[in-house]
Amino acid sequence: QITLKESGPTLVKPTQTLTLTCTFSGFSLTTSGVGVGWIRQPPGKALEWLSVIYWDDDKRYSPSLKSRLTITKDSSNNQVVLTMTNLDTVDTGTYYCAHRRVGVTSDQGFDPWGQGTLVTVSS
Amino acid sequence: QSALTQPASVSGSPGQSITISCTGTSSDVGGYNYVSWYQQHLGKAPKLMIYDVSNRPSGVSNRFSGSKSGNTASLTISGLQAEDEADYYCSSFTSSNTLVFGGGTKLTVL
Repeated sequence: QITLKESGPTLVKPTQTLTLTCTFSGFSLTTSGVGVGWIRQPPGKALEWLSVIYWDDDKRYSPSLKSRLTITKDSSNNQVVLTMTNLDTVDTGTYYCAHRRVGVTSDQGFDPWGQGTLVTVSS
Repeated sequence: QSALTQPASVSGSPGQSITISCTGTSSDVGGYNYVSWYQQHLGKAPKLMIYDVSNRPSGVSNRFSGSKSGNTASLTISGLQAEDEADYYCSSFTSSNTLVFGGGTKLTVL
């Protein structure tokens, strides 16, 4: 059974840096085709894809947020860390991490997702 | 990259079928068969319902089906049930090797 859980601060001040950790179990981030992604959702708004990291350390970022994001993995400890710099109030929302599996001719989407963690950006 | 376009809301009565559209471009939806659909109940994490345009993960009801024509993907829910009331999001792989979500559709079961 695959599970993921996000952790990090619930309140961050504007201009500060946010560091979120996704701790997972039930799969290995050294297995070919496996990845972990981050998605966020402002209150009452739509999902927004942020970043994904794959088993081979390939990293992808949302073009609009690329300059502010860094994703890393610690496969031995089953964790993925997302860092977002220069936070603003518009970055307030629930941040999810999710398991992902891709193949040469398949993209199996994000499944499952963590429960999410609410981050509020306020002074 | 711009978000994929979905209708803000759709509705249907129990037992009916509804279809939610997801329109992108030839650089995302139209260019790849890598469209996914997610269901999100209020206050819950999203759940994968469809991947690779039309494939259902194990455990997802066969009342849910997906298709694609050109730059538009569609999610159809047949035999609508009260428990289907939720927000639905599409997602696609893009030519930049990134991902993009749709704006979401609120499904109301009348």
